[in-house]
Amino acid sequence: EVQLVESGGALVQPGRSLRLSCTASGFTFDDYAMHWVRQTPGKGLEWVAGIGWNGDSIYYADSAKGRFTISRDNMKKSLFVEMKSLRPEDTALYFCAKDALRWNTPENGYLDSWGQGTLVTVSS
Amino acid sequence: EIVLTQSPGTLSLSPGERATLSCRASQSVSSNYIAWYQQKPGQAPRLVVYGASSGAAVFPDRFSGSGSGTDFTLTISRLEPEDSAVYYCQQYGSPPRTFGQGTKVEIK
Repeated sequence: EVQLVESGGALVQPGRSLRLSCTASGFTFDDYAMHWVRQTPGKGLEWVAGIGWNGDSIYYADSAKGRFTISRDNMKKSLFVEMKSLRPEDTALYFCAKDALRWNTPENGYLDSWGQGTLVTVSS
Repeated sequence: EIVLTQSPGTLSLSPGERATLSCRASQSVSSNYIAWYQQKPGQAPRLVVYGASSGAAVFPDRFSGSGSGTDFTLTISRLEPEDSAVYYCQQYGSPPRTFGQGTKVEIK
């Protein structure tokens, strides 16, 4: 059974940084692209960033470019996102999600497994 | 980026009735790359349909997807109480992948 467990969410002040982690199990982690998707009551679901199975391909939403850095450690079956210069509008539930197709580019594709999410609140 | 508009916002139906959820794209979706997800309160989204019409294995065949170009539909043929949830469409034909705002299905 695929399991994705996020951690690292917290209450942070605007302008500060935060690193989220996602630990995977139940599938061959290094065969699949992985993604971060966030959800807010106002904007709904928003894809944030994706990284290819070997880490070579990385894509960001415009809202994340220049501030967020996605990475992965295939040995530890873990996905990360480093978020800098956080803004109140980054407040959201952040999900880790698995690409459905083996060896797919993270640029496209659908998501067949999601974690339960970790909450990030940006407020002074 | 492609904007997806879902309608109606809320659908309130009785068990056994048919639910028809619409997802309209601002431009044609390449290869009909549309997915549908179900999300219940406090839970993660679950994949229901991909490729516009291919059903995910964990969902019964009461759930079906159709459509092409800019207009797509998720149909739940015989509603059951456990189908109460918010359903989102997503396009993955043109980066960045984008989601609709969701349709809430309520069971009377």
